[in-house]
Amino acid sequence: DQQVKQNSPSLSVQEGRISILNCDYTNSMFDYFLWYKKYPAEGPTFLISISSIKDKNEDGRFTVFLNKSAKHLSLHIVPSQPGDSAVYFCAASRGLNNDMRFGAGTRLTVKP
Amino acid sequence: DAGITQSPRHKVTETGTPVTLRCHQTENHRYMYWYRQDPGHGLRLIHYSYGVKDTDKGEVSDGYSVSRSKTEDFLLTLESATSSQTSVYFCAISLLGGGASGDTQYFGPGTRLTVL
Repeated sequence: DQQVKQNSPSLSVQEGRISILNCDYTNSMFDYFLWYKKYPAEGPTFLISISSIKDKNEDGRFTVFLNKSAKHLSLHIVPSQPGDSAVYFCAASRGLNNDMRFGAGTRLTVKP
Repeated sequence: DAGITQSPRHKVTETGTPVTLRCHQTENHRYMYWYRQDPGHGLRLIHYSYGVKDTDKGEVSDGYSVSRSKTEDFLLTLESATSSQTSVYFCAISLLGGGASGDTQYFGPGTRLTVL
């Protein structure tokens, strides 16, 4: 069963606008959430994370929001740039458990 | 960039043959992981290691075995490859292990494996 879901396979936005990528999870035991970015023919790279004790974490143009009651998190990119075009994976883990679960990914295209 | 290399980067093999993929790190990180990436599934954990000779199963471990005889090397073996194992395989490392530690995983460039 897929415990982390990204229901939008793709998203297209205009340069300079906001990109919002969504992620839902089913396991209420998850307490740490991460976003990874992946370019073609490369491995995923860490982007931003959030602990379940917080509801927001910001790093430059990237902000992650966590809504625990809805088991939902989102990644906001403002302003979006063409270099942000990539596949974004949401991931979740529980305690010190090494079994991190990933969503299927959302392909973001930022048009100039 | 974390010093992680994977070899080979591409491999085509036939059903029933054994295949070994290698992950090598220069970061001296304790934890190492093998994932597979498939369309519609994202990345799924196959096996991981928490030290030399210490390994454990992940979500999709059937048909795979691993070994770690040195801190820097983590091998993934398909004893008898099947077409369902056609995938892109990623190795990852982390220093502390586990998301709640605040640690993250750093990924290698991937190995594309095709089983005919």
